[in-house]
Amino acid sequence: DAGITQSPRYKITETGRQVTLMCHQTWSHSYMFWYRQDLGHGLRLIYYSAAADITDKGEVPDGYVVSRSKTENFPLTLESATRSQTSVYFCATTGSISGNTIYFGEGSWLTVV
Amino acid sequence: SQKIEQNSEALNIQEGKTATLTCNYTNYSPAYLQWYRQDPGRGPVFLLLIRENEKEKRKERLKVTFDTTLKQSLFHITASQPADSATYLCALDPGQAGTALIFGKGTTLSVSS
Repeated sequence: DAGITQSPRYKITETGRQVTLMCHQTWSHSYMFWYRQDLGHGLRLIYYSAAADITDKGEVPDGYVVSRSKTENFPLTLESATRSQTSVYFCATTGSISGNTIYFGEGSWLTVV
Repeated sequence: SQKIEQNSEALNIQEGKTATLTCNYTNYSPAYLQWYRQDPGRGPVFLLLIRENEKEKRKERLKVTFDTTLKQSLFHITASQPADSATYLCALDPGQAGTALIFGKGTTLSVSS
């Protein structure tokens, strides 16, 4: 089915572990985004990508790494997870950076213990 | 610094009434403003987009206004139903290359029957 999918949907990990959240879209959209959503903060942009091999930092990039070797995939890696990275992570995609609908995935719930 | 605020965290109304949600912003001149709906445990879903030169936009029972002088957008749901209960997010779209949407924290609407 066409759309945007995230995996895993739920993950519990230990402090210091590396974790990768996957995001896949089937529309061949140029832009992909990673947001985190926390109570009291709303959605905050972590990283985004305008095309394969082009990525840029958002509001809260520290502790995260992204890559985009293929247009359809945009994985987010927490190199050494901390408790403060416990959150819900949303991947999103759109064809144009402005004036366009953004399509969100269903979210990845990450708990760092 | 740029700031986007949604007037309240929660809004409770009776079925059949009109719900009005407010989004205010400062230090910003967005080209567009978007509204999204988010249900518990799900990703945000696009509802409406309004351009800076549009005063009002409608879609079925939804209406959005955009006042660039007041730096404010109002989101109305007429004849509200319990199924409209959700969190509604406004997002500023700067209309500039390389700048992603900036989201408000959301207003949680509860419609009681």
